[in-house]
Amino acid sequence: AQSVAQPEDQVNVAEGNPLTVKCTYSVSGNPYLFWYVQYPNRGLQFLLKYITGDNLVKGSYGFEAEFNKSQTSFHLKKPSALVSDSALYFCAVRDRMDSSYKLIFGSGTRLLVRP
Amino acid sequence: DAGVTQSPTHLIKTRGQHVTLRCSPISGHKSVSWYQQVLGQGPQFIFQYYEKEERGRGNFPDRFSARQFPNYSSELNVNALLLGDSALYLCASSLADLITDTQYFGPGTRLTVL
Repeated sequence: AQSVAQPEDQVNVAEGNPLTVKCTYSVSGNPYLFWYVQYPNRGLQFLLKYITGDNLVKGSYGFEAEFNKSQTSFHLKKPSALVSDSALYFCAVRDRMDSSYKLIFGSGTRLLVRP
Repeated sequence: DAGVTQSPTHLIKTRGQHVTLRCSPISGHKSVSWYQQVLGQGPQFIFQYYEKEERGRGNFPDRFSARQFPNYSSELNVNALLLGDSALYLCASSLADLITDTQYFGPGTRLTVL
Protein backbone atom coordinates (compact mmCIF):
# COMPACT_ATOMS: atom_id res chain seq x y z
CA ALA A 1 0.00 0.00 0.00
CA GLN A 2 1.12 3.51 -0.73
CA SER A 3 1.94 5.66 2.26
CA VAL A 4 3.89 8.65 3.46
CA ALA A 5 5.30 9.08 6.95
CA GLN A 6 6.33 12.33 8.57
CA PRO A 7 7.78 11.12 11.85
CA GLU A 8 7.90 14.50 13.59
CA ASP A 9 4.72 16.31 14.56
CA GLN A 10 6.70 19.46 15.21
CA VAL A 11 10.17 20.78 14.45
CA ASN A 12 11.60 23.70 16.39
CA VAL A 13 14.53 25.72 15.08
CA ALA A 14 16.08 29.11 15.77
CA GLU A 15 16.03 31.74 13.05
CA GLY A 16 19.18 31.58 10.95
CA ASN A 17 19.82 27.91 11.70
CA PRO A 18 19.39 25.15 9.12
CA LEU A 19 16.16 23.18 9.17
CA THR A 20 15.19 19.68 8.12
CA VAL A 21 11.68 18.25 7.90
CA LYS A 22 11.69 14.50 7.43
CA CYS A 23 9.61 12.37 5.07
CA THR A 24 9.71 8.69 4.15
CA TYR A 25 7.48 6.96 1.64
CA SER A 26 6.29 3.57 0.49
CA VAL A 27 5.03 2.92 -3.04
CA SER A 28 4.97 -0.09 -5.30
CA GLY A 29 6.90 1.50 -8.13
CA ASN A 30 9.08 4.54 -8.60
CA PRO A 31 7.67 7.56 -6.83
CA TYR A 32 6.97 11.13 -7.69
CA LEU A 33 7.45 13.23 -4.55
CA PHE A 34 6.15 16.64 -3.55
CA TRP A 35 6.36 19.13 -0.70
CA TYR A 36 3.62 21.60 0.11
CA VAL A 37 3.31 24.24 2.83
CA GLN A 38 0.09 25.35 4.52
CA TYR A 39 -0.32 28.60 6.41
CA PRO A 40 -3.21 29.04 8.88
CA ASN A 41 -6.62 29.02 7.25
CA ARG A 42 -5.06 28.72 3.82
CA GLY A 43 -4.78 26.09 1.14
CA LEU A 44 -1.60 24.27 0.26
CA GLN A 45 1.21 26.02 -1.56
CA PHE A 46 3.53 24.00 -3.79
CA LEU A 47 7.21 24.11 -2.81
CA LEU A 48 9.00 21.56 -4.96
CA LYS A 49 8.81 18.14 -6.58
CA TYR A 50 11.04 15.25 -7.54
CA ILE A 51 10.26 13.54 -10.82
CA THR A 52 13.56 12.15 -12.03
CA GLY A 53 17.18 13.10 -12.41
CA ASP A 54 19.23 14.97 -9.82
CA ASN A 55 18.48 13.77 -6.31
CA LEU A 56 18.74 17.31 -4.94
CA VAL A 57 15.72 19.37 -5.90
CA LYS A 58 15.55 23.13 -5.42
CA GLY A 59 12.23 24.85 -4.90
CA SER A 60 10.52 28.03 -3.80
CA TYR A 61 11.58 30.34 -0.95
CA GLY A 62 15.05 28.78 -0.64
CA PHE A 63 13.82 25.29 0.17
CA GLU A 64 15.38 22.16 -1.24
CA ALA A 65 14.82 18.44 -0.81
CA GLU A 66 16.99 15.39 -1.20
CA PHE A 67 15.65 12.18 -2.71
CA ASN A 68 17.26 9.05 -1.30
CA LYS A 69 16.00 5.91 -3.01
CA SER A 70 17.80 3.44 -0.75
CA GLN A 71 16.33 5.03 2.37
CA THR A 72 12.99 5.84 0.66
CA SER A 73 13.24 9.37 1.99
CA PHE A 74 12.62 12.86 0.70
CA HIS A 75 13.65 15.28 3.44
CA LEU A 76 12.96 19.00 3.10
CA LYS A 77 15.81 21.35 3.96
CA LYS A 78 16.67 25.02 4.15
CA PRO A 79 20.12 26.38 5.01
CA SER A 80 18.87 29.34 7.05
CA ALA A 81 15.39 29.40 8.60
CA LEU A 82 13.19 32.49 8.76
CA VAL A 83 10.45 33.22 11.29
CA SER A 84 8.09 33.49 8.31
CA ASP A 85 8.82 29.83 7.46
CA SER A 86 6.72 28.83 10.47
CA ALA A 87 3.85 26.79 9.00
CA LEU A 88 2.55 23.26 8.43
CA TYR A 89 4.51 21.22 5.92
CA PHE A 90 3.17 18.24 3.99
CA CYS A 91 5.07 15.62 2.06
CA ALA A 92 3.13 13.83 -0.69
CA VAL A 93 3.78 10.94 -3.05
CA ARG A 94 2.26 9.92 -6.33
CA ASP A 95 2.60 6.35 -7.48
CA ARG A 96 3.45 5.91 -11.14
CA MET A 97 1.33 2.77 -11.14
CA ASP A 98 -1.84 4.60 -10.04
CA SER A 99 -3.94 5.76 -12.98
CA SER A 100 -5.74 8.42 -10.96
CA TYR A 101 -2.49 10.25 -10.24
CA LYS A 102 -3.79 11.10 -6.78
CA LEU A 103 -1.49 12.60 -4.19
CA ILE A 104 -1.04 10.68 -0.95
CA PHE A 105 -0.15 13.02 1.89
CA GLY A 106 1.64 12.57 5.15
CA SER A 107 0.13 13.79 8.38
CA GLY A 108 2.10 17.01 8.31
CA THR A 109 4.92 18.53 10.37
CA ARG A 110 4.54 21.85 12.10
CA LEU A 111 7.64 23.99 11.78
CA LEU A 112 8.20 26.64 14.43
CA VAL A 113 11.04 29.07 13.86
CA ARG A 114 11.79 31.17 16.91
CA PRO A 115 13.38 34.61 16.64
CA ASP B 1 -2.91 35.39 -12.96
CA ALA B 2 -5.60 34.19 -10.60
CA GLY B 3 -5.00 30.96 -8.78
CA VAL B 4 -7.53 28.28 -8.00
CA THR B 5 -10.67 29.81 -6.53
CA GLN B 6 -13.23 28.10 -4.35
CA SER B 7 -16.62 29.11 -3.06
CA PRO B 8 -17.97 29.51 -0.52
CA THR B 9 -15.18 30.15 1.97
CA HIS B 10 -17.14 28.86 4.91
CA LEU B 11 -20.33 26.86 5.21
CA ILE B 12 -22.40 25.66 8.12
CA LYS B 13 -24.91 22.85 7.60
CA THR B 14 -26.88 20.46 9.76
CA ARG B 15 -26.85 16.69 9.63
CA GLY B 16 -28.80 15.22 6.75
CA GLN B 17 -28.54 18.28 4.55
CA HIS B 18 -26.90 18.51 1.16
CA VAL B 19 -24.00 20.77 0.18
CA THR B 20 -22.43 21.91 -3.10
CA LEU B 21 -18.90 23.25 -3.22
CA ARG B 22 -17.49 25.02 -6.26
CA CYS B 23 -14.04 25.32 -7.78
CA SER B 24 -12.56 27.28 -10.66
CA PRO B 25 -9.17 26.06 -11.86
CA ILE B 26 -6.23 28.14 -12.96
CA SER B 27 -6.80 29.44 -16.46
CA GLY B 28 -5.64 26.83 -18.97
CA HIS B 29 -5.76 23.96 -16.50
CA LYS B 30 -7.98 21.07 -17.54
CA SER B 31 -7.76 18.74 -14.56
CA VAL B 32 -9.40 19.25 -11.19
CA SER B 33 -9.01 17.16 -8.05
CA TRP B 34 -10.85 17.31 -4.73
CA TYR B 35 -9.39 16.54 -1.32
CA GLN B 36 -10.81 16.44 2.20
CA GLN B 37 -8.62 17.68 5.06
CA VAL B 38 -9.84 16.83 8.53
CA LEU B 39 -8.34 18.91 11.31
CA GLY B 40 -4.93 17.64 12.27
CA GLN B 41 -4.53 15.37 9.26
CA GLY B 42 -3.17 15.52 5.75
CA PRO B 43 -5.53 15.92 2.80
CA GLN B 44 -7.24 12.80 1.51
CA PHE B 45 -8.07 12.31 -2.15
CA ILE B 46 -11.75 12.28 -3.13
CA PHE B 47 -11.98 12.71 -6.93
CA GLN B 48 -10.01 13.64 -10.00
CA TYR B 49 -11.60 14.92 -13.22
CA TYR B 50 -10.02 15.57 -16.55
CA GLU B 51 -11.87 16.83 -19.62
CA LYS B 52 -15.17 16.28 -17.78
CA GLU B 53 -14.47 12.61 -17.13
CA GLU B 54 -13.81 11.03 -13.75
CA ARG B 55 -10.27 9.71 -13.70
CA GLY B 56 -10.04 8.59 -10.11
CA ARG B 57 -12.05 8.18 -6.96
CA GLY B 58 -10.83 7.84 -3.41
CA ASN B 59 -12.26 5.76 -0.60
CA PHE B 60 -15.35 7.88 0.05
CA PRO B 61 -19.00 6.81 0.19
CA ASP B 62 -21.45 7.33 -2.65
CA ARG B 63 -22.82 10.35 -0.80
CA PHE B 64 -19.91 12.18 -2.38
CA SER B 65 -20.17 13.04 -6.04
CA ALA B 66 -18.61 15.55 -8.38
CA ARG B 67 -18.65 16.79 -11.91
CA GLN B 68 -16.61 18.97 -14.21
CA PHE B 69 -18.12 21.47 -16.61
CA PRO B 70 -17.09 22.42 -20.16
CA ASN B 71 -15.23 25.46 -18.80
CA TYR B 72 -13.26 23.04 -16.53
CA SER B 73 -14.79 24.35 -13.31
CA SER B 74 -16.03 21.72 -10.93
CA GLU B 75 -18.59 21.00 -8.23
CA LEU B 76 -18.35 18.65 -5.30
CA ASN B 77 -21.67 17.47 -3.87
CA VAL B 78 -22.17 15.78 -0.56
CA ASN B 79 -25.56 14.33 0.39
CA ALA B 80 -26.94 13.32 3.77
CA LEU B 81 -24.27 15.18 5.69
CA LEU B 82 -22.74 13.57 8.75
CA LEU B 83 -20.87 15.22 11.59
CA GLY B 84 -17.72 13.50 10.31
CA ASP B 85 -17.95 15.39 7.04
CA SER B 86 -16.81 18.54 8.83
CA ALA B 87 -13.50 19.39 7.20
CA LEU B 88 -11.61 21.71 4.89
CA TYR B 89 -12.38 20.76 1.30
CA LEU B 90 -9.57 21.55 -1.07
CA CYS B 91 -9.70 21.80 -4.82
CA ALA B 92 -6.54 21.47 -6.89
CA SER B 93 -5.99 22.05 -10.58
CA SER B 94 -3.29 20.83 -12.92
CA LEU B 95 -2.47 21.56 -16.50
CA ALA B 96 -3.40 18.19 -17.94
CA ASP B 97 -3.58 14.56 -16.98
CA LEU B 98 0.11 13.80 -16.77
CA ILE B 99 1.50 12.07 -13.73
CA THR B 100 4.29 14.64 -13.60
CA ASP B 101 1.88 17.57 -13.44
CA THR B 102 1.91 19.69 -10.31
CA GLN B 103 -1.39 20.18 -8.53
CA TYR B 104 -2.05 23.73 -7.38
CA PHE B 105 -4.46 24.12 -4.51
CA GLY B 106 -7.14 26.64 -3.77
CA PRO B 107 -7.77 28.18 -0.34
CA GLY B 108 -10.43 25.61 0.49
CA THR B 109 -13.99 25.61 1.76
CA ARG B 110 -14.42 25.09 5.49
CA LEU B 111 -17.53 22.94 6.04
CA THR B 112 -18.99 22.61 9.51
CA VAL B 113 -21.76 20.10 10.07
CA LEU B 114 -23.82 20.56 13.23
